[in-house]
Amino acid sequence: SQQGEEDPQALSIQEGENATMNCSYKTSINNLQWYRQNSGRGLVHLILIRSNEREKHSGRLRVTLDTSKKSSSLLITASRAADTASYFCAPHKAAGNKLTFGGGTRVLVKP
Amino acid sequence: NAGVTQTPKFRVLKTGQSMTLLCAQDMNHEYMYWYRQDPGMGLRLIHYSVGEGTTAKGEVPDGYNVSRLKKQNFLLGLESAAPSQTSVYFCASSYGRGETQYFGPGTRLLVL
Repeated sequence: SQQGEEDPQALSIQEGENATMNCSYKTSINNLQWYRQNSGRGLVHLILIRSNEREKHSGRLRVTLDTSKKSSSLLITASRAADTASYFCAPHKAAGNKLTFGGGTRVLVKP
Repeated sequence: NAGVTQTPKFRVLKTGQSMTLLCAQDMNHEYMYWYRQDPGMGLRLIHYSVGEGTTAKGEVPDGYNVSRLKKQNFLLGLESAAPSQTSVYFCASSYGRGETQYFGPGTRLLVL
């Protein structure tokens, strides 16, 4: 399976702290994407990192990719209550037509 | 731009009834997808389309049919609804293969 698997399944932090979640996958990829889902809403794209990239930033988000370990991490710095959501990684398999989503990491940021 | 819209937002069906979920996008995207999400779980791909007039099966296609007669619309049909199809259904679209997907707000379906 190409499914990304996120770790941990749940994370609870205080506002202002950093949150880190990891994603592992099994086969070669073209890119890996991270999405956020607020409760009851559709997914929102956060970052796409290509297989030849090692790190990417977007605002308070930092994504790393290690293709040798088949893993990625998402770091949210200086978290806010509004960051409370589920975060999903989605690897795009090389030569594939679709993404495969993992079960997500549920992040709770306490004020 | 409205992005990706889904109709209806919520529906209750009785076992055996049929219905069609409509997804529309105004971004001229080639690819469209239907997912289902069950409580506490990630998304599972039902069917997808790589262009007008094409459809392909995803991970969990049984009990569903789809059609893409127009580029901007992707329809998901349930011919004979079952309680196991109670879920939240999300539609998404992307410009090309493996590119960023844009999601609709979801349709909550309850099958009694």
